[in-house]
Amino acid sequence: ETGVTQSPTHLIKTRGQQVTLRCSSQSGHNTVSWYQQALGQGPQFIFQYYREEENGRGNFPPRFSGLQFPNYSSELNVNALELDDSALYLCASSLETGKAFFGQGTRLTVV
Amino acid sequence: QQPVQSPQAVILREGEDAVINCSSSKALYSVHWYRQKHGEAPVFLMILLKGGEQKGHDKISASFNEKKQQSSLYLTASQLSYSGTYFCGTDPRNQAGTALIFGKGTTLSVSS
Repeated sequence: ETGVTQSPTHLIKTRGQQVTLRCSSQSGHNTVSWYQQALGQGPQFIFQYYREEENGRGNFPPRFSGLQFPNYSSELNVNALELDDSALYLCASSLETGKAFFGQGTRLTVV
Repeated sequence: QQPVQSPQAVILREGEDAVINCSSSKALYSVHWYRQKHGEAPVFLMILLKGGEQKGHDKISASFNEKKQQSSLYLTASQLSYSGTYFCGTDPRNQAGTALIFGKGTTLSVSS
């Protein structure tokens, strides 16, 4: 039990639609990172938020965007969904450079 | 620059030992190890900071060779519960906002 909660756990969307995934970080953690994990691969870094500001981004297009709120919870938004966006989306909360705790993930299927 | 993990897969019987390696081409500040079971979130195992320290937790330990930018995870007297995919996450900088770059993982299967 990491204290990091993601919703929803599973989601099916149609190509071209938009989706919002949510993450409630562990109490006191001011940093949230989002990762995309394809089947059989390691988590790929999407972006990170530190104290409500985007503070690092991986190799993902602008249609992947996010927010972090004053309570440090976070959202990941993906516009114009593509079939390749089907994956497990993980958020991880941490206290700056400390150990990161992952949520259980959201399994997104794009059809 | 994604770290390279080796081997890709390991098959063990209970009680046997295993070593999983993680190499980076970039200078690292720290290495983080995680274990992920099928359908579950990655679970934190340990962090190693530059300085060549070695850490241990029960029968799982790890080392970090700063000069070689390599880390190794040692699993001794393996148990069935050790089965899963092990990922190393590398952190090239010690700054707020640094995300971990994960390797592709090493799948460990322990049988009785």
